[in-house]
Amino acid sequence: EAAVTQSPRNKVAVTGGKVTLSCNQTNNHNNMYWYRQDTGHGLRLIHYSYGAGSTEKGDIPDGYKASRPSQENFSLILELATPSQTSVYFCASGDRGRYTEVFFGKGTRLTVV
Amino acid sequence: GDQVEQSPSALSLHEGTGSALRCNFTTTMRAVQWFRKNSRGSLINLFYLASGTKENGRLKSAFDSKERYSTLHIRDAQLEDSGTYFCAAASGSWQLIFGSGTQLTVMP
Repeated sequence: EAAVTQSPRNKVAVTGGKVTLSCNQTNNHNNMYWYRQDTGHGLRLIHYSYGAGSTEKGDIPDGYKASRPSQENFSLILELATPSQTSVYFCASGDRGRYTEVFFGKGTRLTVV
Repeated sequence: GDQVEQSPSALSLHEGTGSALRCNFTTTMRAVQWFRKNSRGSLINLFYLASGTKENGRLKSAFDSKERYSTLHIRDAQLEDSGTYFCAAASGSWQLIFGSGTQLTVMP
């Protein structure tokens, strides 16, 4: 079973502050993803990576940066957090290729006040 | 853009009964996944299909890329099946395109 671990699980941040969400996967998957989920919506892709050192923009990248320093780790960075970024963030990993099964972490609930 | 239309948005079932969820796609999808979001907010993988059907216990899923739909059938529903179910499909891009979810409530 794929293991994707996110930290922190809950975070309260102040407007204008910097927030870093971390994700670690232990399955040697090439692909990693950051999604956000808002009430009443499905998940939407923010950034993804297909290997260490790569980051790509997803559907809604504005206001977010990503970092993939290693195969195992993928971070999402909010340089200047805003209340509109209050959401639940999910990290996911998948094997090489575009159509492989994807496994999600348990999510991080971020509140920006 | 590519879209996934999931229905129904909400569903109530009595224990022991069954029903089906459906996702229609506006374009050809290469694969589909079904998830359940449990009470703790975790996304549980139910099925991954590139074609055909799969069955696991009381759940069965089908994916028809040509006809642009996927279904998830639940039979003999139990209280612990309650939660939000999502389908997500892979088109030509890197991201999974999610449906908006089905809130399933199983009642005694």
